[in-house]
Amino acid sequence: LAKTTQPISMDSYEGQEVNITCSHNNIATNDYITWYQQFPSQGPRFIIQGYKTKVTNEVASLFIPADRKSSTLSLPRVSLSDTAVYYCLVGAYNTDKLIFGTGTRLQVFP
Amino acid sequence: DTGVSQDPRHKITKRGQNVTFRCDPISEHNRLYWYRQTLGQGPEFLTYFQNEAQLEKSRLLSDRFSAERPKGSFSTLEIQRTEQGDSAMYLCASSLELGPDSYEQYFGPGTRLTVT
Repeated sequence: LAKTTQPISMDSYEGQEVNITCSHNNIATNDYITWYQQFPSQGPRFIIQGYKTKVTNEVASLFIPADRKSSTLSLPRVSLSDTAVYYCLVGAYNTDKLIFGTGTRLQVFP
Repeated sequence: DTGVSQDPRHKITKRGQNVTFRCDPISEHNRLYWYRQTLGQGPEFLTYFQNEAQLEKSRLLSDRFSAERPKGSFSTLEIQRTEQGDSAMYLCASSLELGPDSYEQYFGPGTRLTVT
């Protein structure tokens, strides 16, 4: 499974847009990119998944360039409740196990 | 509530004791996963079931660990002769194979184990 690299931490203020970039240079042809969010003392929660170009849902957008060697999770107008750890995962569409890295700890300030 | 539930939420035990955790997945989900998470790290895959069959086990799952899903519904994870290194959050997740959202795993709140 492709290894991912993402920033250890990021800070933002309420109302700002936050972009978290993940590098996955060894992504395979059939790999998808998935992001999970985890609050303290809770299990991770699925945010978004994509294969190429752009995917948008009610929570976030995922931008994937043509070479697919990186991806960017975009959170519009963050609030204090978006403070969490965000994990970028790469693997098959219906993978039987998720491989998490250390994630990006996002802190949102008022 | 139709989410994944885990019991207990917290467990403190002395080294050498056995512990058992329970996971109740979302009712129609046929896949069930166990992960372990230590402080500051992402979850690590331990094992998963499809219905009652255990299909894969990580090398992290030493012979002191055993997981079962006897009727393809709830699952138990037992740790025998606990060690301090077993202290972690144990997460359970479930998913529906071949469903329209089959790529998404739904996680429970976890069981936090502290071995003293």
